[in-house]
Amino acid sequence: EDQVTQSPEALRLQEGESSSLNCSYTVSGLRGLFWYRQDPGKGPEFLFTLYSAGEEKEKERLKATLTKKESFLHITAPKPEDSATYLCAVQAINDYKLSFGAGTTVTVRA
Amino acid sequence: DAGITQSPRYKITETGRQVTLMCHQTWSHSYMFWYRQDLGHGLRLIYYSAAADITDKGEVPDGYVVSRSKTENFPLTLESATRSQTSVYFCASTSGRGNKNIQYFGAGTRLSVL
Repeated sequence: EDQVTQSPEALRLQEGESSSLNCSYTVSGLRGLFWYRQDPGKGPEFLFTLYSAGEEKEKERLKATLTKKESFLHITAPKPEDSATYLCAVQAINDYKLSFGAGTTVTVRA
Repeated sequence: DAGITQSPRYKITETGRQVTLMCHQTWSHSYMFWYRQDLGHGLRLIYYSAAADITDKGEVPDGYVVSRSKTENFPLTLESATRSQTSVYFCASTSGRGNKNIQYFGAGTRLSVL
């Protein structure tokens, strides 16, 4: 069974204070690892897909990296608008389902 | 407006009542999914569908029924609602083509069972 564990559960940052979120996973064969952002009262919004170890993707202040056992979401010089819950999910080979972690809630104070 | 829409956004019902949550997408995506989101559990898959008239169970299917007579619609029915089904429900869809497989989510339905 696919498993995804995210840490920490919550992260409080000062504006400009860079940090990283962790997503560790076990899957029979990885088709893709997905990062989503979720704002309160809204549905998850797609950020990145990573397909193989060593791959990196960036979007504004966010950078996602992937190894064979975990993924990191780095937030560089965060702003208050980066406050959200960040969800990680894995998809196994020959499957279309996603298995999600419980998420990391990030709060950035001005 | 194109996209994936869920209705209603909020619903309050009583135990034992039947409730149907609606999901409609305008992309003609083949795959559609229903998740529930509870504090501490993240998103858990209830049911999914690979095409019209093809559905399959996810991680937590008990107490739910789905149908998919048309590609664009994927309703979720709670046949006899229980308090443990109080949750936020999300519908998602993906084309399943190529390597992308990105699932796009609706805004959710917040369901309270009293």
